[in-house]
Amino acid sequence: EPEVTQTPSHQVTQMGQEVILRCVPISNHLYFYWYRQILGQKVEFLVSFYNNEISEKSEIFDDQFSVERPDGSNFTLKIRSTKLEDSAMYFCASSVGEGRQETQYFGPGTRLLVL
Amino acid sequence: GDSVTQMEGPVTLSEEAFLTINCTYTATGYPSLFWYVQYPGEGLQLLLKATKADDKGSNKGFEATYRKETTSFHLEKGSVQVSDSAVYFCALSTFMDTGRRALTFGSGTRLQVQP
Repeated sequence: EPEVTQTPSHQVTQMGQEVILRCVPISNHLYFYWYRQILGQKVEFLVSFYNNEISEKSEIFDDQFSVERPDGSNFTLKIRSTKLEDSAMYFCASSVGEGRQETQYFGPGTRLLVL
Repeated sequence: GDSVTQMEGPVTLSEEAFLTINCTYTATGYPSLFWYVQYPGEGLQLLLKATKADDKGSNKGFEATYRKETTSFHLEKGSVQVSDSAVYFCALSTFMDTGRRALTFGSGTRLQVQP
């Protein structure tokens, strides 16, 4: 069964450093998403991406964040200058885009720790 | 804004017990409703969904009915197994200006099933 994959599974970085989280969505999916979950808190929407541009973003997704689909398979989330409060589990998701029936399929997540 | 409220966990049950995890929501518009499950060390997996009022989603013995009048989507299973131990997330999909959907999640309920 096709699945969303994410790398790395864990990332430790120093405050102020740039990180890139990688995702490979399901191959025939057209819509891509990033969510995050700070430890002990809810899963929160960050951004959605379609047709090589951002469709929607939340208040969390400020100028330090960016997303890119550099080739036909990868979807990346970049955090330019990490802060302590960026420590969280980051989930990538993808969907075919089927209107009301749309279902988002999630990857296993990348646990980011900023020191 | 839209929100999802789930019962606090952990919920601890003996094998073969009946399970109910309550979920209520607040939404503008007419959302679709989902239950996702996260097994230890894994990502979010779709468990079931319902896209309109009175629909019943079901999968692996789990059921939930979309109740528009009570804005609820409670998860039930008649006889839980140890392998059902996981964190369960209720979620709704929200229409955005672009028509694409972001998921709004509840805080998750941890289920522990004892042999």
